Amino acid sequence: GDSVTQMEGPVTLSEEAFLTINCTYTATGYPSLFWYVQYPGEGLQLLLKATKADDKGSNKGFEATYRKETTSFHLEKGSVQVSDSAVYFCALSGSGGGFKTIFGAGTRLFVKA
Amino acid sequence: EADIYQTPRYLVIGTGKKITLECSQTMGHDKMYWYQQDPGMELHLIHYSYGVNSTEKGDLSSESTVSRIRTEHFPLTLESARPSHTSQYLCASSERFMNTEAFFGQGTRLTVV
Repeated sequence: GDSVTQMEGPVTLSEEAFLTINCTYTATGYPSLFWYVQYPGEGLQLLLKATKADDKGSNKGFEATYRKETTSFHLEKGSVQVSDSAVYFCALSGSGGGFKTIFGAGTRLFVKA
Repeated sequence: EADIYQTPRYLVIGTGKKITLECSQTMGHDKMYWYQQDPGMELHLIHYSYGVNSTEKGDLSSESTVSRIRTEHFPLTLESARPSHTSQYLCASSERFMNTEAFFGQGTRLTVV
């Protein structure tokens, strides 16, 4: 079945460091791919998305490119801030799993001042 | 900002009590979901609905039940709470199409003592 695998955390970085959180997926069909972010004590909110191969989603300095050849959707940011500390979830929707969104296990990011 | 609301935000209740977690959305979304989030952050789908009078069990078995009498309302009920039900519960909704993003409420943190 469809699945999403993302790198285990926690990831601890200093402010202004470069961030990469790896995400790979297994899916039948042509899913849309998402990154969601969860700040402490909150629900998830959409960070960015890509709906087809080679699309790049971007928001708030974060970027991810839909790579069909490597089945990947890695999240990157050039310079992280303390306020980026949160849990990040990679997800897919619209594949063989039907309407359901499939989430990765989440990666916790800590950014130190 | 997402228009999906959960109440209460926090609930501490004794074993054996009946509880209902409320979830409402004002976006007219057909699809709604309940997730249970464990301390390790992973999301587990416990219930979902395609629309009014439609409810299905999710991937994780749960003793809770749900109803969908109105499009905007998707309450979750536990007839007899137990300490094993202690968790974070997240409600979400999305449009009827397969590849669309999910909008999440802020969550209810339930503690059963």
